[in-house]
Amino acid sequence: DAGITQSPRHKVTETGTPVTLRCHQTENHRYMYWYRQDPGHGLRLIHYSYGVKDTDKGEVSDGYSVSRSKTEDFLLTLESATSSQTSVYFCAISEVWGTGSGEQYFGPGTRLTVT
Amino acid sequence: QKEVEQNSGPLSVPEGAIASLNCTYSDRGSQSFFWYRQYSGKSPELIMFIYSNGDKEDGRFTAQLNKASQYVSLLIRDSQPSDSATYLCAVNQGGSEKLVFGKGTKLTVNP
Repeated sequence: DAGITQSPRHKVTETGTPVTLRCHQTENHRYMYWYRQDPGHGLRLIHYSYGVKDTDKGEVSDGYSVSRSKTEDFLLTLESATSSQTSVYFCAISEVWGTGSGEQYFGPGTRLTVT
Repeated sequence: QKEVEQNSGPLSVPEGAIASLNCTYSDRGSQSFFWYRQYSGKSPELIMFIYSNGDKEDGRFTAQLNKASQYVSLLIRDSQPSDSATYLCAVNQGGSEKLVFGKGTKLTVNP
């Protein structure tokens, strides 16, 4: 299994509070991604990183920010959590070579509930 | 937003049969194609990837790609109950490092 961990694995928080999810990798891969998965919507990209301090938005980035100060860590922050951000959050890592995308490997996920 | 479409299923096959999962995509610039398996409550697991037109075989799994028709499929031979899961098709967006996922097809293999 790819060396990817996510913390916390489960979290319940109240509306309006800030929340930070952490993704940690031991593979030294350049690319890291945050997705959310919801019934009826599938996996959707929130933000991704292509290197330390290099990040870009995905399909559903509103209400989320990210930071990557080290190769191995990618943080996802919900500035002020809302009930619509209740979801399962997955981190993924990949390397890219040539043209196109390399294979992405997923972490175990974080189940977030906003009450 | 580029789209990836899959039949939502559920698809039900008897043990030992061939399961056929299909996926179409809208972005002609896509170059990388992936199949993931996801068990209930677990994270997606990469099972196949294909970059060139034609077939790619790995054990009981065969991925098929037809870029002209913008179609990618996954065949599972000798299906086992342990293959029961949701299968996700993913395609890279415009030749980039970003993937777009289909909503998945739920497969049930009946003993």
